[in-house]
Amino acid sequence: LAKTTQPISMDSYEGQEVNITCSHNNIATNDYITWYQQFPSQGPRFIIQGYKTKVTNEVASLFIPADRKSSTLSLPRVSLSDTAVYYCLVGDNFNKFYFGSGTKLNVKP
Amino acid sequence: EPEVTQTPSHQVTQMGQEVILRCVPISNHLYFYWYRQILGQKVEFLVSFYNNEISEKSEIFDDQFSVERPDGSNFTLKIRSTKLEDSAMYFCASSGAGIGNQPQHFGDGTRLSIL
Repeated sequence: LAKTTQPISMDSYEGQEVNITCSHNNIATNDYITWYQQFPSQGPRFIIQGYKTKVTNEVASLFIPADRKSSTLSLPRVSLSDTAVYYCLVGDNFNKFYFGSGTKLNVKP
Repeated sequence: EPEVTQTPSHQVTQMGQEVILRCVPISNHLYFYWYRQILGQKVEFLVSFYNNEISEKSEIFDDQFSVERPDGSNFTLKIRSTKLEDSAMYFCASSGAGIGNQPQHFGDGTRLSIL
């Protein structure tokens, strides 16, 4: 089963780059890795998705090493509004999707 | 931008009663999901649904739970006889394709409170 492990929390300051790593040792060959952001009392919001190497969009980058057993979400120049819980999501061969425990990012002024 | 909508936003129900949570997925999506999140805990997968049948379900999704797509737009989760431990946020999600090919898009959830 493709379960995931993330740091419980991270602190950062406005304007800094933040990197959050997720471990997923049992990722399946055809699985993608997806990251979500969640604010209190809201559903998870899609940030970025990738399969291997590097993916970049307007809000984040995703780095995936060749063995795909981990991934790193990179948020450039965070602001106070980026304070949220970040989850990585990996699908396994049996159609079950496991969220990680989530990383609570606290951005300070 | 199209979005997943869920109703009601908050449902309060007596223990033992049946409850139906409703979702309207994004219109051209084909795969549908339910998740739950107990207060302070991580999001947990319940069930995935495709082509009018369950694709996969977790250990949480026991005989008390059922899902249905009664028409072309709604996707429902029914809990037959609610228990106190069913109190949680329930999120519906949909995607254009399954198993990671397209990202899942989530609604803002229904908060279910069992008294």
